[in-house]
Amino acid sequence: DAGITQSPRHKVTETGTPVTLRCHQTENHRYMYWYRQDPGHGLRLIHYSYGVKDTDKGEVSDGYSVSRSKTEDFLLTLESATSSQTSVYFCAISAGRGGTSTDTQYFGPGTRLTVL
Amino acid sequence: AQSVTQPDIHITVSEGASLELRCNYSYGATPYLFWYVQSPGQGLQLLLKYFSGDTLVQGIKGFEAEFKRSQSSFNLRKPSVHWSDAAEYFCAVGAEAAGNKLTFGGGTRVLVKP
Repeated sequence: DAGITQSPRHKVTETGTPVTLRCHQTENHRYMYWYRQDPGHGLRLIHYSYGVKDTDKGEVSDGYSVSRSKTEDFLLTLESATSSQTSVYFCAISAGRGGTSTDTQYFGPGTRLTVL
Repeated sequence: AQSVTQPDIHITVSEGASLELRCNYSYGATPYLFWYVQSPGQGLQLLLKYFSGDTLVQGIKGFEAEFKRSQSSFNLRKPSVHWSDAAEYFCAVGAEAAGNKLTFGGGTRVLVKP
């Protein structure tokens, strides 16, 4: 299994509070991703990173920010949580080997976030 | 923009019977295709992937998938289902652009009857 951990695994918070989710990898992979999973939508990309301090937006980035100050850590922040951000959040990593960015992604165990 | 459709939201199959899950994609260039499985409360596990070459791809747990360019499909099959195959299955297409962004289908939940 890919060495990916997510913390916390479960969180309940109130509307308007800031929340930070952490993804940590031990694989030294270049690419890291944050997805959210909602019934009927599969997984949707929030933000991704292609190196330290290099990040870009995904499909559903509004209301989220990210930071990557070290190769191994990728943080997802909800500046002011809303009920629509109640979801399961998955981190993924990929090596992007061989000069191609299209490489297999491996997923962490997920964080279940509830915003009341 | 790429998109993935999994037409079947739920499928119920008897243990020992065959299983086929449908996946249709829309993408302008050569697609990179993946199937992932998610057991309840777990993360996603890669079953198999297609990048190029042989269009019939073998994966883990006895699964295989066939890429059919003419039909824009990448259907997943298993000849004989086990109770442990009950899970949700996701098809995904990868983007050629930098970032390896994946687009997922909505998933198919498989129930296995004894």
